[in-house]
Amino acid sequence: DQQVKQNSPSLSVQEGRISILNCDYTNSMFDYFLWYKKYPAEGPTFLISISSIKDKNEDGRFTVFLNKSAKHLSLHIVPSQPGDSAVYFCAAISSGSARQLTFGSGTQLTVLP
Amino acid sequence: EAGVAQSPRYKIIEKRQSVAFWCNPISGHATLYWYQQILGQGPKLLIQFQNNGVVDDSQLPKDRFSAERLKGVDSTLKIQPAKLEDSAVYLCASSSLAGTYNEQFFGPGTRLTVL
Repeated sequence: DQQVKQNSPSLSVQEGRISILNCDYTNSMFDYFLWYKKYPAEGPTFLISISSIKDKNEDGRFTVFLNKSAKHLSLHIVPSQPGDSAVYFCAAISSGSARQLTFGSGTQLTVLP
Repeated sequence: EAGVAQSPRYKIIEKRQSVAFWCNPISGHATLYWYQQILGQGPKLLIQFQNNGVVDDSQLPKDRFSAERLKGVDSTLKIQPAKLEDSAVYLCASSSLAGTYNEQFFGPGTRLTVL
């Protein structure tokens, strides 16, 4: 039972354009959401997060939007750069858990120069 | 600040053999996690330690997997005997106790191939 879903395994975007990565979840107990970025042969690194009491969080070129009613979040990268090419994982934390992360399956973003 | 260290980086074994992975978390981090990431999937938590005690091992296949964190610092994850489906990247992560959300820092992982 996949509680966090990333339905697009891959996404290609031209340099300078916007990248939009999507994530859906099913567990209503999730109250904190995160995006992790992973380069080959490295561990995931934290990118940006959002609490369930907010609908938007921005950090430089990265913005995360949360739509609680639709159980959907998205990561926007503007403008996209070739160095952004990586696998992006959506993750969620349940208010009832020991603050454990539940990950989606990831989206491979390729930014074309 | 040194990151999370893991060794070995790569391991190839035959099924029914045993294997062990080692993790050294960031200094001072009380919480340590082991994840299994199968190709095409996201990381799945196997076990979580707080200092040297187990917080959650509900997803650890205990008939073949074991983990320990002696002295609340380094940790070892063992598989005995290995199966083909154990082929995956094994990630170790650590976090401190500070804050409402404890950011997890990941090591580079150990890629296990079971033939």
